[in-house]
Amino acid sequence: DQQVKQNSPSLSVQEGRISILNCDYTNSMFDYFLWYKKYPAEGPTFLISISSIKDKNEDGRFTVFLNKSAKHLSLHIVPSQPGDSAVYFCAASGLPSNSGYSTLTFGKGTMLLVSP
Amino acid sequence: GAGVSQSPSNKVTEKGKDVELRCDPISGHTALYWYRQSLGQGLEFLIYFQGNSAPDKSGLPSDRFSAERTGGSVSTLTIQRTQQEDSAVYLCASSSDGHSNQPQHFGDGTRLSIL
Repeated sequence: DQQVKQNSPSLSVQEGRISILNCDYTNSMFDYFLWYKKYPAEGPTFLISISSIKDKNEDGRFTVFLNKSAKHLSLHIVPSQPGDSAVYFCAASGLPSNSGYSTLTFGKGTMLLVSP
Repeated sequence: GAGVSQSPSNKVTEKGKDVELRCDPISGHTALYWYRQSLGQGLEFLIYFQGNSAPDKSGLPSDRFSAERTGGSVSTLTIQRTQQEDSAVYLCASSSDGHSNQPQHFGDGTRLSIL
């Protein structure tokens, strides 16, 4: 059972427009959410995060919104650039493992293509 | 560089052979994680190290998988008697202290292909 879901496997956007990537989660115990960006043949790179006590976090062109009641978060990229073309993974943490430490649960990713 | 380093970058081996994958985390990071990504799937958690100990091995898919970490630094993931379903990209990540609000930094992975 997927606890973190990215229902859109791909998204195409024109350069300069807004890209909106969505993520849903099922477990209310998650309290910290992250977005990672992945280029082919490279490891994921941390992009932006948000704590469950906030509903918005902004960093340059990237903004993450969290709607706890809907168990939904989204990543907005504006303006989108061709170099943003990559796979974007949503991840959540906060469920303590047997060790007491939390691990990340990832979605399957959304491939973003920004065309010139 | 100062990032997470993994080797080899690619490994092709025959079914039934053992393989060993290596991860060198960011210097000073106490937490180390192994994940794998199968084709079309998200990242699947395998094992977590805090220092040299592995408090969470819950993600290891079978007893053919084992991992160790020595000196609180380099880690190796060993897969014995490999099967075709073990084919995946194996990713290693490290973070400063393992707490949930610390981002994990990933290596570029080892692409493992079992023939």
